[in-house]
Amino acid sequence: EAQVTQNPRYLITVTGKKLTVTCSQNMNHEYMSWYRQDPGLGLRQIYYSMNVEVTDKGDVPEGYKVSRKEKRNFPLILESPSPNQTSLYFCASSLSRGGRGEYFGPGTRLTVT
Amino acid sequence: ILNVEQSPQSLHVQEGDSTNFTCSFPSSNFYALHWYRWETAKSPEALFVMTLNGDEKKKGRISATLNTKEGYSYLYIKGSQPEDSATYLCASNAGGTSYGKLTFGQGTILTVHP
Repeated sequence: EAQVTQNPRYLITVTGKKLTVTCSQNMNHEYMSWYRQDPGLGLRQIYYSMNVEVTDKGDVPEGYKVSRKEKRNFPLILESPSPNQTSLYFCASSLSRGGRGEYFGPGTRLTVT
Repeated sequence: ILNVEQSPQSLHVQEGDSTNFTCSFPSSNFYALHWYRWETAKSPEALFVMTLNGDEKKKGRISATLNTKEGYSYLYIKGSQPEDSATYLCASNAGGTSYGKLTFGQGTILTVHP
């Protein structure tokens, strides 16, 4: 089954404790991205990757890091989480241009206290 | 940050009504315009990706048009059903320097009453 998986699905952590949210897709998609969803602000792109070892900033990259060492994986790293990073995070993947749009993962609900 | 705007913010219709929403986006450096449907407690699901001016796409009772010269797209739902209730999002990378940088609008919340 074609899918994008994210782990963990729910996470409560404390300020400053480094964490990684994993994202994996099994569709051989070149393009992957991370979004956060906040009430009243909609979906905002954090980082995207056009292919292995190619990453670039979205609209809200501050406080996040990403890496793309393999085509299928695109982890999101929060080196020192802060309460303003409490949000719902989505990973997505798609073919490199146009195609059928992005396939979204199930989301990760992160709370930073 | 690119400016992608959707209207109306919310819409209530009766079952059987036809309805439409608007997405406006920068008309420069256009790559693609996406439409997504997002049901509560689920993930966004792609409806259409349009890349050419004048594109029209259809999926069942839902269709979309694209005008890249004036920077807008319409999404139409014919004969709305309660199961069409969802948030409809558009997204564009127009105005940017990369196909990859995608900006979403705030969405139109559609509620279809039986």
